[in-house]
Amino acid sequence: EAQVTQNPRYLITVTGKKLTVTCSQNMNHEYMSWYRQDPGLGLRQIYYSMNVEVTDKGDVPEGYKVSRKEKRNFPLILESPSPNQTSLYFCASRFTGTGGEKLFFGSGTQLSVL
Amino acid sequence: QKEVEQDPGPLSVPEGAIASLNCTYSNSAFQYFMWYRQYSRKGPELLMYTYSSGNKEDGRFTAQVDKSSKYISLFIRDSQPSDSATYLCAMSASTGGFKTIFGAGTRLFVKA
Repeated sequence: EAQVTQNPRYLITVTGKKLTVTCSQNMNHEYMSWYRQDPGLGLRQIYYSMNVEVTDKGDVPEGYKVSRKEKRNFPLILESPSPNQTSLYFCASRFTGTGGEKLFFGSGTQLSVL
Repeated sequence: QKEVEQDPGPLSVPEGAIASLNCTYSNSAFQYFMWYRQYSRKGPELLMYTYSSGNKEDGRFTAQVDKSSKYISLFIRDSQPSDSATYLCAMSASTGGFKTIFGAGTRLFVKA
């Protein structure tokens, strides 16, 4: 089954404690991205990756890091989390064809930073 | 001003009615228009996409794009309680590398 898998689903942490949210896709997509979703603000892109070892900032990259060492994996790293990073996070991979593009999303990670 | 504006609702319709959702946008370069459906505690799933202006129908769902007015709509006929979800409009352009811009989402409730 084609899917994007992210873990964990729920995470509670404290300010300053480094954490990593993992993301893996099995569709051989080159493009992957991370979003955060906040009430009233919709989905905002944090970082994206066009391919292995190619990453770039999205609209809200401050406080986040990513790496893309393998095509299937795209982890999101918060080196020193702060309460304003409490949010619902989604990883996505993208298929682009002649008809446009389709994003496949993971099930989300609800992060609370105390 | 946001690039994509979407009324957050909630929108409540009775079962069997037509639900109408819409978005406006400001960037005339957008060519691809999508609607994603998101159930509670789940990731968004692509529901409909259209290229440029016009209508597209898929079962009970109809997507309309009016590029001259920078306005897109999603109509759900014969609404069912299972249609209760948040609907996000999304847009992209090939000139922007297909970067997808999302609306904030409209919460739809279909009452049985």
